[in-house]
Amino acid sequence: ETGVTQTPRHLVMGMTNKKSLKCEQHLGHNAMYWYKQSAKKPLELMFVYSLEERVENNSVPSRFSPECPNSSHLFLHLHTLQPEDSALYLCASSQSSAGRGHQPQHFGDGTRLSIL
Amino acid sequence: GQNIDQPTEMTATEGAIVQINCTYQTSGFNGLFWYQQHAGEAPTFLSYNVLDGLEEKGRFSSFLSRSKGYSYLLLKELQMKDSASYLCAVRDALTDSNYQLIWGAGTKLIIKP
Repeated sequence: ETGVTQTPRHLVMGMTNKKSLKCEQHLGHNAMYWYKQSAKKPLELMFVYSLEERVENNSVPSRFSPECPNSSHLFLHLHTLQPEDSALYLCASSQSSAGRGHQPQHFGDGTRLSIL
Repeated sequence: GQNIDQPTEMTATEGAIVQINCTYQTSGFNGLFWYQQHAGEAPTFLSYNVLDGLEEKGRFSSFLSRSKGYSYLLLKELQMKDSASYLCAVRDALTDSNYQLIWGAGTKLIIKP
């Protein structure tokens, strides 16, 4: 069973469309993440939620809007995207610990997003 | 600034040994992770180092030298299924964040028969 599930796996949308990416984790973790992965570039952290509160927002354009209704679900709402937003969007979860635990992040397979 | 360097691509032969290097320059250091990512799939956790030395896990080992800002991932008895990208990531202590990792761009490893 996959611990972190993302849907859809592939998404093609026009620049004026509105769509949402969904992530669900079955690991009992209390932190969830959105990353952007572009070819030959490092993973870019977009948003982090811990205990359903947003704790990181790394200067992401407002056309990306996250939502975390509970500790198991995370959404990324997309609106008026640009061609440069085409990338693989990865969701991850981890068990956060006060201080500096080494809990690894567990990733989903990602949504391959193409903007026309 | 914060930076992690890895080779872009490496090629090795089935049954051989390969070493993938990672060097980092960060404001602080609180652990280094290695992940494996097959094409079209999720990155999966391989290893974690926070103290100097070698950590061994079966065919995979990871080494850390904090004074040199250097790590490597050693893969032995290579198999075709080891063809993947290998990502190095560092937790920067000065961010005091359990969440923020600094990622390398990954090393694509190609295994040939």
